[in-house]
Amino acid sequence: QQQVKQSPQSLIVQKGGISIINCAYENTAFDYFPWYQQFPGKGPALLIAIRPDVSEKKEGRFTISFNKSAKQFSLHIMDSQPGDSATYFCAALRGSNYKLTFGKGTLLTVNP
Amino acid sequence: GAVVSQHPSRVICKSGTSVKIECRSLDFQATTMFWYRQFPKQSLMLMATSNEGSKATYEQGVEKDKFLINHASLTLSTLTVTSAHPEDSSFYICSAIMGSQETQYFGPGTRLLVL
Repeated sequence: QQQVKQSPQSLIVQKGGISIINCAYENTAFDYFPWYQQFPGKGPALLIAIRPDVSEKKEGRFTISFNKSAKQFSLHIMDSQPGDSATYFCAALRGSNYKLTFGKGTLLTVNP
Repeated sequence: GAVVSQHPSRVICKSGTSVKIECRSLDFQATTMFWYRQFPKQSLMLMATSNEGSKATYEQGVEKDKFLINHASLTLSTLTVTSAHPEDSSFYICSAIMGSQETQYFGPGTRLLVL
């Protein structure tokens, strides 16, 4: 059972455009939702994270939108740059056991 | 801050040999460390959770006798792949958390190739 569903699987955006990646979860016990960025051959790096009591969080060009009733959250990358080309993973965590449940990932390509 | 290192970054070994991968938290004490496996173009799969001084907790389907995990100190966890076979070839990544914080800091990963 896939507890965190991520879409799209791949995304191509022009430089300067907005990249949007969506995730949906099933377990209402999740209480922490991070996004990770991973470059080929590297470990994931935390981008931004949100808790369900907040509907939106912005850090620079990255924004998480969170819809608790729909059990969905999304990552928006504004003014996308070629250097943003990477695989992005959404994840969810239930604070009591600290185990992350990852989505399947989105390969983002930003064309110059 | 919150840097996690792994050693080696890549290793090639012969089938049947054992390989040890180290995961270190460089600037914090990691109460809990996690070991993941990642196949090409796939997501991270949690293998086990380790707490300093106690036995690791393995995820369902992960052979504990094959993937030995030792968390001997608050800054070091090791994963030993015993009697490695070609199907064990993968990208192994560790992560660590400090205290009761939820944020996991990931290492750079170790590429294992078993010939």
